[in-house]
Amino acid sequence: DQQVKQNSPSLSVQEGRISILNCDYTNSMFDYFLWYKKYPAEGPTFLISISSIKDKNEDGRFTVFLNKSAKHLSLHIVPSQPGDSAVYFCAASAEGGGSNYNLTFGIGTLLTVNP
Amino acid sequence: DTEVTQTPKHLVMGMTNKKSLKCEQHMGHRAMYWYKQKAKKPPELMFVYSYEKLSINESVPSRFSPECPNSSLLNLHLHALQPEDSALYLCASSQFPPGGSNYGYTFGSGTRLTVV
Repeated sequence: DQQVKQNSPSLSVQEGRISILNCDYTNSMFDYFLWYKKYPAEGPTFLISISSIKDKNEDGRFTVFLNKSAKHLSLHIVPSQPGDSAVYFCAASAEGGGSNYNLTFGIGTLLTVNP
Repeated sequence: DTEVTQTPKHLVMGMTNKKSLKCEQHMGHRAMYWYKQKAKKPPELMFVYSYEKLSINESVPSRFSPECPNSSLLNLHLHALQPEDSALYLCASSQFPPGGSNYGYTFGSGTRLTVV
């Protein structure tokens, strides 16, 4: 049973427009959420994160929104650029402390930004 | 140095072979991880080391044997693998305990393993 779900396997957007990638989770113990970006033949790269005590975190063109009641988060990229074309993974952690620090990943969404 | 280096990048091995995957980081991270990723699937956690001690083993078969010789190195020893073990093996490291703006893993580029 997937605890982190990315229901859109792919998304295509025009350059300069907004890209919105969605992620849902089922485990109410998750309290930290991250987005990773992955190019082919490379490992995932950390992009942006958000703690459950916040509902928004912004870093340049990237903003992550968290709706705890809906167990939903989204990543907004504005404006989208062709170099943003990659697979985006949503990940979550039940920080809790101690040694239980591991991330549960979604299946990923392939974003294609067309020039 | 802000990288996690994995070697080899590609590995083809027979079912009777013994091989090792290597991972190295010099960021002072005290937690290191092995993840396995199959095509069109999310990365799945295999092992976690914190302070060079194995803290999580996600019910991984014994044909996979991790080793953390020191705080910078993480190995994954492979023996008698099956074709279904073919996958991308990702190493990652992080601060431990996690926190602050550096919460998150730094991943290596992975080793693409094919078992024939």
